[in-house]
Formats: sequence, structure tokens, C-alpha cells
Amino acid sequence: DTGVSQDPRHKITKRGQNVTFRCDPISEHNRLYWYRQTLGQGPEFLTYFQNEAQLEKSRLLSDRFSAERPKGSFSTLEIQRTEQGDSAMYLCASSLAWGRTEAFFGQGTRLTVV
Amino acid sequence: AQTVTQSQPEMSVQEAETVTLSCTYDTSESDYYLFWYKQPPSRQMILVIRQEAYKQQNATENRFSVNFQKAAKSFSLKISDSQLGDAAMYFCAYVDSGGYQKVTFGIGTKLQVIP
Repeated sequence: DTGVSQDPRHKITKRGQNVTFRCDPISEHNRLYWYRQTLGQGPEFLTYFQNEAQLEKSRLLSDRFSAERPKGSFSTLEIQRTEQGDSAMYLCASSLAWGRTEAFFGQGTRLTVV
Repeated sequence: AQTVTQSQPEMSVQEAETVTLSCTYDTSESDYYLFWYKQPPSRQMILVIRQEAYKQQNATENRFSVNFQKAAKSFSLKISDSQLGDAAMYFCAYVDSGGYQKVTFGIGTKLQVIP
């Protein structure tokens, strides 16, 4: 296991299209997080899973956004009807218990909506 | 809601010198963790140093150390003997020890290391 991996690394899409990103966490990590990072800003929390349960969603996560983590393994983040404001880096992180233990980040998926 | 403030958008330091990055935070909790993360250009975020709020002793990791002032809600990062590889965005972050562990980040400080 080489760490958290995200796919794709880059995605360019036309406004109005749907996109889906994937995150594969470190295998023994039960907690998985999605963050969004725009230029000049720090990562903003989107949502958090403990195993397969989605325990918290940010108000940033409009009804066009949906995230899943079937069977508590990999996670997907889908954005429907993309808008130019969705252009950002989408980061995934996983941990056993962020704080008591370290969390590890993936390299992110950079989304550009044209 | 917890907030994390980094008031220095950019900092620069001469190679081999020392630099301090500032961070303040706001919380009503008494038990929490604070972090400094490094994000090099086009590379993933990595943990630099972690501080547990119930520990009075400041955390140290090789050339990196923090000045944790709990009453003032201040958490600065000192980088000693700066190296070219230290150039990156540095983010201060906070998480409650309980709850769902939503980690809150500051907006970051861009550190430039001058040869």
C-alpha cells in the first residue's frame, strides 16, 4: 500500500457535464475525508466518512454533490451539472483517528470547468 | 465554529536562517490538536508537526518547532536552518479531539527560501 491515491489527477469538463472522482485510502484507515481547495485558499471541508457511513457534510456540498464509500473502502465524489465555480483541487485524506494519529493526503484531482 | 487564521500570505527567508510562521485559532473546546502541514508545488500535503492541546510542552521535529500559547490561542511554527526544500505553502490546522474530527485549515502562508 503506497498511500492515498486519487483518480484522475486532472479533469477538464464542459459546464453542465457530470464528473466523478475516486479516492482509494490507505487500506486499514476507517476514516476518509474530502476537501476542496481553490487557488490562494486552504482546504475546505466537504464531507467525512467513518467506514461506509457519511457522518458529516459541509454546507458547501450542495445537492449537486454526492459522495459514497461503499463497503468502507474506496470513495467516489460526483458533481452533477458542473459550474465554473466548481473548478478547484479536490483532496482526499484518510486516517485512523485524525489527531491521535496522522492523516495522509492524496495528490488531489484538479477539476477545470470550461 | 472553529476558525484558523494565518495572517502572513507570504514569507521569505535566507537559506540557513530561521523563520517563524504565525497562526491563531478560535475554539471553545479545551481538548484539541493543532497541526502544521506543508504543501510543496504540485505535490501532496504532508504533516510537518502536531501539537496536543493538553500538553504544555512545545512539539519539536528536527528543524521544526512550535510555540503553542493555549491561553492566547496562538500556534506558530519556527523553521531553523532553512533549506531550499522547505519552500512550500504551509497550512495551520485544527481538529477537536472528539466529535467527527472535521479538520479546519487556515488559508496558508507561502514560504520562499532564498539561496
